[in-house]
Amino acid sequence: DVQMTQSPSSLSASVGDRVTITCRASQDIRNELGWYQQKPGKAPKRLIYAASSLESGVPSRFSGSGSGTEFTLTITSLQPEDFATYYCLQHYNYPPLTFGGGTKVEIK
Amino acid sequence: QVQLVQSGAEVKKPGASVKVSCKASGYTFTSYDINWVRQATGQGLEWMGWMNPKSGKTGRGQRFQGRVTMTSNTDTSTAYMELSSLTSEDTAVYYCVRVVGSIDYWGQGTLVTVSS
Repeated sequence: DVQMTQSPSSLSASVGDRVTITCRASQDIRNELGWYQQKPGKAPKRLIYAASSLESGVPSRFSGSGSGTEFTLTITSLQPEDFATYYCLQHYNYPPLTFGGGTKVEIK
Repeated sequence: QVQLVQSGAEVKKPGASVKVSCKASGYTFTSYDINWVRQATGQGLEWMGWMNPKSGKTGRGQRFQGRVTMTSNTDTSTAYMELSSLTSEDTAVYYCVRVVGSIDYWGQGTLVTVSS
């Protein structure tokens, strides 16, 4: 099964900062990766699908890039509502599905 | 609009079983897989298994082999996940999710607490 290594596990940032989160796959997963945002007490919400496609209604400050084994979620100009935990999810050769370990974005 | 509405919170004793329901609406239930994902308090997301409502075929993650049963009722567009031989380590929020490529819709989650 594909393993996903997400980094960092947490970070502190200020409003207006640029934030980058990385996921590395244990094998080539093409572009079969999504990014999710989860706020406390809520179900995750998809931000990015197919590695770089923005979900409808998601602000354009969120972007995804990468293919193969290395993927990045970038938030340009972090906003107060962006403080949350972010997860990557691979679906290459589904099933199974594999999540990254998560990145908690906290206020500096 | 697509909705997945799950059953309410449960408290179970160690060794018992729990059955969580997930009622789908806003789309053709038999067109897409339903998967189950869980999250222990303060922890990450863990995939449990999948079910195809049209064929009835299912599959489970290795950690859940022999302990999780996934079923559905196509007449009511409802999926079910039953987890047996519960221990305290099964205390978590359980989510049903729709899979179209990746996960596009999530249920609201069901908290299952295992406590003596």
